[in-house]
Amino acid sequence: AQTVTQSQPEMSVQEAETVTLSCTYDTSESDYYLFWYKQPPSRQMILVIRQEAYKQQNATENRFSVNFQKAAKSFSLKISDSQLGDAAMYFCAYRRGDTGTASKLTFGTGTRLQVTL
Amino acid sequence: DAGVIQSPRHEVTEMGQEVTLRCKPISGHNSLFWYRQTMMRGLELLIYFNNNVPIDDSGMPEDRFSAKMPNASFSTLKIQPSEPRDSAVYFCASSLRQGQNTIYFGEGSWLTVV
Repeated sequence: AQTVTQSQPEMSVQEAETVTLSCTYDTSESDYYLFWYKQPPSRQMILVIRQEAYKQQNATENRFSVNFQKAAKSFSLKISDSQLGDAAMYFCAYRRGDTGTASKLTFGTGTRLQVTL
Repeated sequence: DAGVIQSPRHEVTEMGQEVTLRCKPISGHNSLFWYRQTMMRGLELLIYFNNNVPIDDSGMPEDRFSAKMPNASFSTLKIQPSEPRDSAVYFCASSLRQGQNTIYFGEGSWLTVV
């Protein structure tokens, strides 16, 4: 079974600074996809960024980027120029590739990010 | 484009009552997921459907929980009878079947059982 581990329950960053959230996963699959979701106090689950395992290039979305280390099974999220609106719970998630049927998302336990002035 | 639509957004009910949560997936999506989120257990997958057929319901806590998907545009999650420990946020999510596709979430249904 696949597992996703987020070892940092809470992180704090000053506004305009950079912060990195860690995520590791365990799988025997070769075809899979990794995601970071953001959950603000409203509880909405918002996709931040996704990474295809077959791609060596790290995904980037504006101020958000990932460091994907496939051999180490590591998938960290870097937030640059942090803003107050980035304060939220961040979940790392894993999804198997096409298996002929639907595949589910497996989530980590989340990291709560605080942004201070 | 409309996202995943859930109702009700908030519900407070008394123990023993029946609760029905509803979900309309994104049009064209053929996979639908029900997740539950609590402080103690985090995000748990309850059940998911592919082309309206349940694929894996191993996450359904007990017989008090049931889920249906009568057609491609509607699903329900029912709890009968409800208990205080069922209090949680219930998320519905949908995607295209293939694993490379992003799963999109609704805004959640906040359930409180008193």
